[in-house]
Amino acid sequence: GESVGLHLPTLSVQEGDNSIINCAYSNSASDYFIWYKQESGKGPQFIIDIRSNMDKRQGQRVTVLLNKTVKHLSLQIAATQPGDSAVYFCAESSHHNFNKFYFGSGTKLNVKP
Amino acid sequence: EAQVTQNPRYLITVTGKKLTVTCSQNMNHEYMSWYRQDPGLGLRQIYYSMNVEVTDKGDVPEGYKVSRKEKRNFPLILESPSPNQTSLYFCASSSRTGGYNEQFFGPGTRLTVL
Repeated sequence: GESVGLHLPTLSVQEGDNSIINCAYSNSASDYFIWYKQESGKGPQFIIDIRSNMDKRQGQRVTVLLNKTVKHLSLQIAATQPGDSAVYFCAESSHHNFNKFYFGSGTKLNVKP
Repeated sequence: EAQVTQNPRYLITVTGKKLTVTCSQNMNHEYMSWYRQDPGLGLRQIYYSMNVEVTDKGDVPEGYKVSRKEKRNFPLILESPSPNQTSLYFCASSSRTGGYNEQFFGPGTRLTVL
């Protein structure tokens, strides 16, 4: 498969534990944020998104938290499973131009059985 | 099956030899985009298209061209590839839902320019 990050920050967790992946963004005008999961050899896959009028959004086993004051985004994965092992990216966009997206450099999640 | 396809998946070429990477989606999406992915840099947007015959530059458009003659296709053209364009390329598409786009990505094209 394709390797996309040779020196990515890595988070190692035990199967069944909760994972928290963090992302900082720099553009105060950004008002739409997305988390993507990228497995080895595949393209990024949408996980969950959040708009700036919210500070928390929950999906199935995932929660995204947004702190606009410090421009910080986090992805929480409950009861982490081996299938969650992947690289996770945050991305941001703005209503000024919804067509442009800016991605973070990614975090590798390693789930130990 | 709803999908974004890219061809080729792997390509090794030499400096200056024009190449095209094709991208096709079968979801009738209006929006399509190209990204490159390099170690430690995440994905960077090259070009995007809001609809047929409507394209615009992303963050790193230099050395690339695109066209959108049909809704389903969005080829990426490298007129004169250089080694710094060695990268992993992704095409993505999305429908426009309230202005907030969930993008669907293709499987990627690994390009090496010697």
